[in-house]
Amino acid sequence: DAGITQSPRHKVTETGTPVTLRCHQTENHRYMYWYRQDPGHGLRLIHYSYGVKDTDKGEVSDGYSVSRSKTEDFLLTLESATSSQTSVYFCAIRGTGADEKLFFGSGTQLSVL
Amino acid sequence: KNQVEQSPQSLIILEGKNCTLQCNYTVSPFSNLRWYKQDTGRGPVSLTIMTFSENTKSNGRYTATLDADTKQSSLHITASQLSDSASYICVVSARSNYQLIWGAGTKLIIKP
Repeated sequence: DAGITQSPRHKVTETGTPVTLRCHQTENHRYMYWYRQDPGHGLRLIHYSYGVKDTDKGEVSDGYSVSRSKTEDFLLTLESATSSQTSVYFCAIRGTGADEKLFFGSGTQLSVL
Repeated sequence: KNQVEQSPQSLIILEGKNCTLQCNYTVSPFSNLRWYKQDTGRGPVSLTIMTFSENTKSNGRYTATLDADTKQSSLHITASQLSDSASYICVVSARSNYQLIWGAGTKLIIKP
């Protein structure tokens, strides 16, 4: 998956607990993204980063925070998980080619009980 | 409101047959349109990207078309194979801010 690793691949947690998902890239790309994917919906952008310590909100950022202390790592944190955050989470990096296509990790299946 | 609608939601065809998936969008200002393939349990993988001036683009057995006037795109798969079973997602980029608007995808099942 183009040098992108997400961890964990699966996570089951309880409502109210904090959860951190990790995205690691070996491509040294500047832009990194966190998406969630739910049945019947297109991918929805949660947060993105355009460099170390540079992040911005996406369309569904409530309840999520991110951090990027190194180029290669982009962390997504659910401060207090809710059942509505049960979803598949994908990390992506933006390629540097002219078409700027996205390369995705394999996803994290998160279940909040 | 910027939107991307795909049809059908799901499709089942026999191996070896052709099929066409549709994408209608209302994104403005338009920058480009991409098709992604997503295998079960994996992240999406880019198939093709089309800009305003391109009408047709092929990638092996996949051919994408774009009509910027009617704001429609299609993805045609020729001589389908079992490995084509996946979800196909249409994504439109708005020129102003690199905003990507994702369709919900078409789930394609190829039966032997």
